[in-house]
Amino acid sequence: AQTVTQSQPEMSVQEAETVTLSCTYDTSESDYYLFWYKQPPSRQMILVIRQEAYKQQNATENRFSVNFQKAAKSFSLKISDSQLGDAAMYFCAYGGSQGNLIFGKGTKLSVKP
Amino acid sequence: DAGVIQSPRHEVTEMGQEVTLRCKPISGHDYLFWYRQTMMRGLELLIYFNNNVPIDDSGMPEDRFSAKMPNASFSTLKIQPSEPRDSAVYFCASSPNQGITGELFFGEGSRLTVL
Repeated sequence: AQTVTQSQPEMSVQEAETVTLSCTYDTSESDYYLFWYKQPPSRQMILVIRQEAYKQQNATENRFSVNFQKAAKSFSLKISDSQLGDAAMYFCAYGGSQGNLIFGKGTKLSVKP
Repeated sequence: DAGVIQSPRHEVTEMGQEVTLRCKPISGHDYLFWYRQTMMRGLELLIYFNNNVPIDDSGMPEDRFSAKMPNASFSTLKIQPSEPRDSAVYFCASSPNQGITGELFFGEGSRLTVL
């Protein structure tokens, strides 16, 4: 069975600085997708970024980028120029042949002004 | 589109009572998912549907939980009888034809408290 591990329960970053959230996963599949979701205090889950496993190029969405290391089964999220609005829970998720998303336990990100 | 709509937003009930959570997916989305979120266990998939048919219900905790999708625009998650350990936030999400290759669109969740 696939698993997703986020080893950092909490992280903190200074406003305007850069922070990296870690995620590792375990799978025997070769074709899959990886996601980072943001959950602000309002509770709604919002997709931040998505990576297809067959693409070697790391995905980028404005200030958000990933470091995808397929062989190491690592999928970290880098947030550049952190803003107060980035404060939230961040969930890493795996999507494979099972048809649903498997989520990690999440990392709570605090942004200090 | 209004997005995925869930109701109620909050529910407080007493142990033993029946609870029904409702979800309206985004029009045109063929996949519907029910997730449960707790501090201890994180986000867990309970069940998901494709074209109104349950595909995987292995995450449903026990017989007290049931889910239905009578048509493409409505789904319910029912707990009967409810227990304090069912207290959690329940999310409904929908996805277009691409399934897991696309984005899951989540509702705002229903926070359930069972006293």
